[in-house]
Amino acid sequence: AQTVTQSQPEMSVQEAETVTLSCTYDTSESDYYLFWYKQPPSRQMILVIRQEAYKQQNATENRFSVNFQKAAKSFSLKISDSQLGDAAMYFCAYIPGTYKYIFGTGTRLKVLA
Amino acid sequence: KAGVTQTPRYLIKTRGQQVTLSCSPISGHRSVSWYQQTPGQGLQFLFEYFSETQRNKGNFPGRFSGRQFSNSRSEMNVSTLELGDSALYLCASSWGGDSYNEQFFGPGTRLTVL
Repeated sequence: AQTVTQSQPEMSVQEAETVTLSCTYDTSESDYYLFWYKQPPSRQMILVIRQEAYKQQNATENRFSVNFQKAAKSFSLKISDSQLGDAAMYFCAYIPGTYKYIFGTGTRLKVLA
Repeated sequence: KAGVTQTPRYLIKTRGQQVTLSCSPISGHRSVSWYQQTPGQGLQFLFEYFSETQRNKGNFPGRFSGRQFSNSRSEMNVSTLELGDSALYLCASSWGGDSYNEQFFGPGTRLTVL
């Protein structure tokens, strides 16, 4: 079965520090996408960053970057220079190419001033 | 460009009733997906529609059904409501040309079953 695991239900980080959220997935596919979505307290989910499985280079979007380890089926999100606005639920999603997103259970990130 | 809209935003029903939720995608988007979000379970995929056709569905009982209209608007219906159906129901739209398109989410409908 294709599953996504986020083993950290909650994490905290000091403002301006760096934090890494972990995500692992189980698949036998070779071609797929991985996304990180952010859900702020207002509830509207927004895309943070995406990674194509066929690309070896890790994706980066400003302060957000990923560490994609295809063999280990690991896809962690690093947030640098954390800001108060980064506080949210973060969901990792695996997209196998069947018009279906498979989400993890989420990690609640708290940013401490 | 207007975002994904969902109506109603909040709904309270009793066990045994049925409910219909509505989703209007971003203009030009032809794919609509539905998810159930509960604490500790994350987002569970319900189904996805593209051009009025269901292309995939999740592992939910037949009480959960959906449809999509020619203008891409979508509705989700839950019959014979159970207490466990209480959740935030999210709708997401995308262009839909392939599986890897970014999905844009609506604010959700909070359903409470008493």
